[in-house]
Amino acid sequence: DVKVTQSSRYLVKRTGEKVFLECVQDMDHENMFWYRQDPGLGLRLIYFSYDVKMKEKGDIPEGYSVSREKKERFSLILESASTNQTSMYLCASSLQPNSPLHFGNGTRLTVT
Amino acid sequence: AQSVTQLDSQVPVFEEAPVELRCNYSSSVSVYLFWYVQYPNQGLQLLLKYLSGSTLVESINGFEAEFNKSQTSFHLRKPSVHISDTAEYFCAVRGGANNLFFGTGTRLTVIP
Repeated sequence: DVKVTQSSRYLVKRTGEKVFLECVQDMDHENMFWYRQDPGLGLRLIYFSYDVKMKEKGDIPEGYSVSREKKERFSLILESASTNQTSMYLCASSLQPNSPLHFGNGTRLTVT
Repeated sequence: AQSVTQLDSQVPVFEEAPVELRCNYSSSVSVYLFWYVQYPNQGLQLLLKYLSGSTLVESINGFEAEFNKSQTSFHLRKPSVHISDTAEYFCAVRGGANNLFFGTGTRLTVIP
């Protein structure tokens, strides 16, 4: 079974802090994704990566950046956290572009 | 561009009754369609998928969905629901690019 692990289940940060959300997958998947999930809005794609050191903007990249130095790890970075970034963040991976996504359990981030 | 509409944000249904969760999509290219389920405090799990071939697809826990190209729909059905089916269900579409577009989700609540 594919395992996608997000390092933190809950995180509380202050406005202006730099925040790192870590995600690791153990199945040698090429593609990795970061989504945020908000009530009534579903899942919105922030960034994705189809190879090491490669990244593409999703639908809502503003205020975020990403890093993929190794194939198994995809990090989401909030350079200066703001209260409107309070949300559930979901990481996912897939073997090929049209393969189903495998999700982690999510990180619930609260910015105060 | 692709988009997904889930018309019902909440669907309450009595145990052992049938249920249909509606999903409509728009796309200018051939699509791949998915249903994901999210149980409380967990990430999303793939429920079923349509890639090609038979338009009726089934999951291992009794759900089925039918791809209807003329109506651009991919509704999810189950003839008899259980308490354990209480969850949030997301319809998703992928067409062309390396991105998956999600609907806003339908919260299914099964009433004993």
